Amino acid sequence: ETGVTQTPRHLVMGMTNKKSLKCEQHLGHNAMYWYKQSAKKPLELMFVYNFKEQTENNSVPSRFSPECPNSSHLFLHLHTLQPEDSALYLCASSQSSGDNQPQHFGDGTRLSIL
Amino acid sequence: QKEVEQDPGPLSVPEGAIVSLNCTYSNSAFQYFMWYRQYSRKGPELLMYTYSSGNKEDGRFTAQVDKSSKYISLFIRDSQPSDSATYLCAMSGGDGNNRLAFGKGNQVVVIP
Repeated sequence: ETGVTQTPRHLVMGMTNKKSLKCEQHLGHNAMYWYKQSAKKPLELMFVYNFKEQTENNSVPSRFSPECPNSSHLFLHLHTLQPEDSALYLCASSQSSGDNQPQHFGDGTRLSIL
Repeated sequence: QKEVEQDPGPLSVPEGAIVSLNCTYSNSAFQYFMWYRQYSRKGPELLMYTYSSGNKEDGRFTAQVDKSSKYISLFIRDSQPSDSATYLCAMSGGDGNNRLAFGKGNQVVVIP
């Protein structure tokens, strides 16, 4: 596989469920990102990891918990989500988290909260 | 004032026309400017990447940056139905953290 792969592509869950989103990049990059994309709003950066270390948490509620076991894998653990959390969750990677590194995105997980 | 302004459209053009998209921004520290293309049910795909002011051309696509006016543009020549997508502008620079500021995206429909 090439590029950035996200699973599952679609997820429907109740507000009391616990689930995890997975991202894997095959580009040899060292920085990984989680974004939230909602209709008619700009992409919102959630978390940044550089060499497995979290370097940014953009005031994300604690019901979203990221995990980065190595530079190729990134998870987003979800629990007790709210209906307003329904959105497309995108993972991205870049060579590093420096300014001049273009980010490459996966196809996202479409999350629906019942 | 929003950090990046982009008219969401939609923009409908006939096949073969020139598509013109633009974004304005408020942060004068931005140095890196990108255009992403996002097809329905897909993630954003990096289309153009430019540094500072000037023009960059890649096939039918031309990106322009005018830092003095805080204005960037994307032109698509000889538009094709396969160009129908949402185009997102993004920019970064100044804080060393590769934090991208995105526009809302502009939906383009090329009519055969």
